[in-house]
Amino acid sequence: DAGITQSPRHKVTETGTPVTLRCHQTENHRYMYWYRQDPGHGLRLIHYSYGVKDTDKGEVSDGYSVSRSKTEDFLLTLESATSSQTSVYFCAISGLAGGEQFFGPGTRLTVL
Amino acid sequence: GIQVEQSPPDLILQEGANSTLRCNFSDSVNNLQWFHQNPWGQLINLFYIPSGTKQNGRLSATTVATERYSLLYISSSQTTDSGVYFCAPTMDSNYQLIWGAGTKLIIKP
Repeated sequence: DAGITQSPRHKVTETGTPVTLRCHQTENHRYMYWYRQDPGHGLRLIHYSYGVKDTDKGEVSDGYSVSRSKTEDFLLTLESATSSQTSVYFCAISGLAGGEQFFGPGTRLTVL
Repeated sequence: GIQVEQSPPDLILQEGANSTLRCNFSDSVNNLQWFHQNPWGQLINLFYIPSGTKQNGRLSATTVATERYSLLYISSSQTTDSGVYFCAPTMDSNYQLIWGAGTKLIIKP
């Protein structure tokens, strides 16, 4: 199994608070992704990274920011959480552009 | 943008049955992956299959890129096969996965 961990695995927070989710990989893969999964929507790409300090927006990036200061870590930040950001967040990694993606275990975030 | 349609949306089978899940896509794709999301939410890679046929145990997949579809075959189903199966092709232009809505499979003992 690809070495991908996400932390925290579960989080409950209140509207308006900042939240940071962490994805850590031990595979030295260049590409990292953040997705959210909501009932009825499948997975939707939030942001992705194609190298250290290189990131780009996905289809649902509003309200989210990301940072990647090291190959192994990709952080997703909700600057001011809203109830619409209640979701399950998945991190994925890939060694090549368009290559096979491997997923972390997910983080369940609830914003009250 | 590219549209991905999976069928059937839901499937209920008895243990031991065989099944075929279909994924149609509306445009040319660079690659395609099949995933299984188990009842605990974990996403598991099944196949990375831009074209041709691959087999892994009781599962096999075929992608015919020129006709814009992929099939996932599950033989001798087991209760552990339950979950949602996603097809996710990659667009030629930006290499991002485009996700289908999934097929929810329930295997009854």
